Amino acid sequence: EDQVTQSPEALRLQEGESSSLNCSYTVSGLRGLFWYRQDPGKGPEFLFTLYSAGEEKEKERLKATLTKKESFLHITAPKPEDSATYLCAVQVTDSWGKLQFGAGTQVVVTP
Amino acid sequence: DTEVTQTPKHLVMGMTNKKSLKCEQHMGHRAMYWYKQKAKKPPELMFVYSYEKLSINESVPSRFSPECPNSSLLNLHLHALQPEDSALYLCASSPLAGTGELFFGEGSRLTVL
Repeated sequence: EDQVTQSPEALRLQEGESSSLNCSYTVSGLRGLFWYRQDPGKGPEFLFTLYSAGEEKEKERLKATLTKKESFLHITAPKPEDSATYLCAVQVTDSWGKLQFGAGTQVVVTP
Repeated sequence: DTEVTQTPKHLVMGMTNKKSLKCEQHMGHRAMYWYKQKAKKPPELMFVYSYEKLSINESVPSRFSPECPNSSLLNLHLHALQPEDSALYLCASSPLAGTGELFFGEGSRLTVL
């Protein structure tokens, strides 16, 4: 059975304190891995797509990386506005493109 | 204009009511989606429309009835809902079905009394 597990469930950071979120997956065949950010009461906002092991994507203070079993979202020198829930989702090769979301990591960045 | 607009933002309904959620996008996307999200949980796929035809129904109860009148509009008709159906209902679109890069609306917060 395909599984997506995110850790930690919650993360509290001081402003400027860099950290990483983990998304581990067990799937029959990976078509793509996606990171989204979700603010409370809002819809998810697409951040990155990763397709193959070794691939990296960056946007401002965020950097996403992918291995054959997991993905990391690195937050460098976070600011309070980076506070959100970060969702990882995988697309399996035989799933007609359906996304399977992880439970998310809730990040709080304090000044 | 990269935006998916959902109305209403909040909806309270009784179990015998009939109501509808609406979603609109003007990005020329040909795939539209309905997701349901409970508090502290990830979004769960309900329906996918591709080129205005229903492509995926994730075994959703018939009290939820989707409709895609044209390529820009997506409705979700609600009837005889249960309190456990209370959730955030998210609409999303993508240029084509089968991509994982979705554009989500802000959602409609539904409360069933």
